[in-house]
Amino acid sequence: GAVVSQHPSWVICKSGTSVKIECRSLDFQATTMFWYRQFPKQSLMLMATSNEGSKATYEQGVEKDKFLINHASLTLSTLTVTSAHPEDSSFYICSARLTGSADGYTFGSGTRLTVV
Amino acid sequence: DAKTTQPPSMDCAEGRAANLPCNHSTISGNEYVYWYRQIHSQGPQYIIHGLKNNETNEMASLIITEDRKSSTLILPHATLRDTAVYYCIVRPGMDSSYKLIFGSGTRLLVRP
Repeated sequence: GAVVSQHPSWVICKSGTSVKIECRSLDFQATTMFWYRQFPKQSLMLMATSNEGSKATYEQGVEKDKFLINHASLTLSTLTVTSAHPEDSSFYICSARLTGSADGYTFGSGTRLTVV
Repeated sequence: DAKTTQPPSMDCAEGRAANLPCNHSTISGNEYVYWYRQIHSQGPQYIIHGLKNNETNEMASLIITEDRKSSTLILPHATLRDTAVYYCIVRPGMDSSYKLIFGSGTRLLVRP
């Protein structure tokens, strides 16, 4: 079936640096993608919705200048964590809207970010 | 959006049925019940969904009460690989404007 490929699966970075996470749709065009964050033992929290060719819509409380989302093509959305700090360490998951699937969505496998 | 209530954790023995409840007393007429699960450090996986009739697929069965205020996900013969967090979500079907919002879910532990 349709797959969303998310890279990297894990990354360790130094405090103050920026990290880019890619979410790529394989074999289908993803006009809408979603980015989630998940802290240990907690549920997924929706961060933002990205639509191809337009600005992302951020959920309340999510800093858009810190979490830069780019959805420049129908197959690629990226999340850049800028000036990362230890409190940004989390599991980040992307999802794409997928028409024709049983539930209308498909999820990436997630990226574990550790900021040291 | 209608909200759901799930027990925070459950356990069952391997090979037995796992019955995971979900309350959604404020569900509206056009909202479906969807179930997902998340195995540790992976993305969520769709399991099953239904509107008002009971549903069954290769993974699970979904029993929805007649008043639609609650439902139960049944894993008929749980295996160790079914250990995961299970999320019950109510949503308006394939509404293209819908954002999938996850609640706290039920952490299911399948014991050997």
